[in-house]
Amino acid sequence: GAGVSQSPSNKVTEKGKDVELRCDPISGHTALYWYRQSLGQGLEFLIYFQGNSAPDKSGLPSDRFSAERTGGSVSTLTIQRTQQEDSAVYLCASSSMGKTYEQYFGPGTRLTVT
Amino acid sequence: DQQVKQNSPSLSVQEGRISILNCDYTNSMFDYFLWYKKYPAEGPTFLISISSIKDKNEDGRFTVFLNKSAKHLSLHIVPSQPGDSAVYFCAARAGGSYIPTFGRGTSLIVHP
Repeated sequence: GAGVSQSPSNKVTEKGKDVELRCDPISGHTALYWYRQSLGQGLEFLIYFQGNSAPDKSGLPSDRFSAERTGGSVSTLTIQRTQQEDSAVYLCASSSMGKTYEQYFGPGTRLTVT
Repeated sequence: DQQVKQNSPSLSVQEGRISILNCDYTNSMFDYFLWYKKYPAEGPTFLISISSIKDKNEDGRFTVFLNKSAKHLSLHIVPSQPGDSAVYFCAARAGGSYIPTFGRGTSLIVHP
């Protein structure tokens, strides 16, 4: 079956511009996570959606970052007024209700802010 | 302050030998541990996990050992194969949390 997909795979943007990153989770998965991985670092948690519950935004690094999940499926991560330190690989993962410990990751979006 | 530490950024092993990847954690509330494997340009894939009520979990060539008193876990791969060459991430979750904390990863290279 189809896995988690993310688009675009690569994004180069100028400092100060806004970007939108998209995630299509596995069909039926109720939980969706966003992470980012900067060079040489581990996966840094950003935000977590579970069903219709309010998202856990505790990992968002600043108010320039926001995310939404429409219809309990597709999610968009938006970064406003991008900065060079936002350059990283942004990873999305989803998991089913009964197996939240087992996350399925997408291939990521590599964001480069020039 | 890293709560999950993978102190070896890289490991090189001969094909057929054992690979041992180590992970240390500081948060005593962690009670579930996971290993993920990541190939270049792909997302991490779940490999194996262990609950804190166990000290060992085995799945084929992969075995995870947990030493709670030392706050240490390790992933053993026997025998190692060139296709195992990847970055391995250790992750841990505290009870009731759905959000794992990841280490920085260890790059494993298995030489033919």
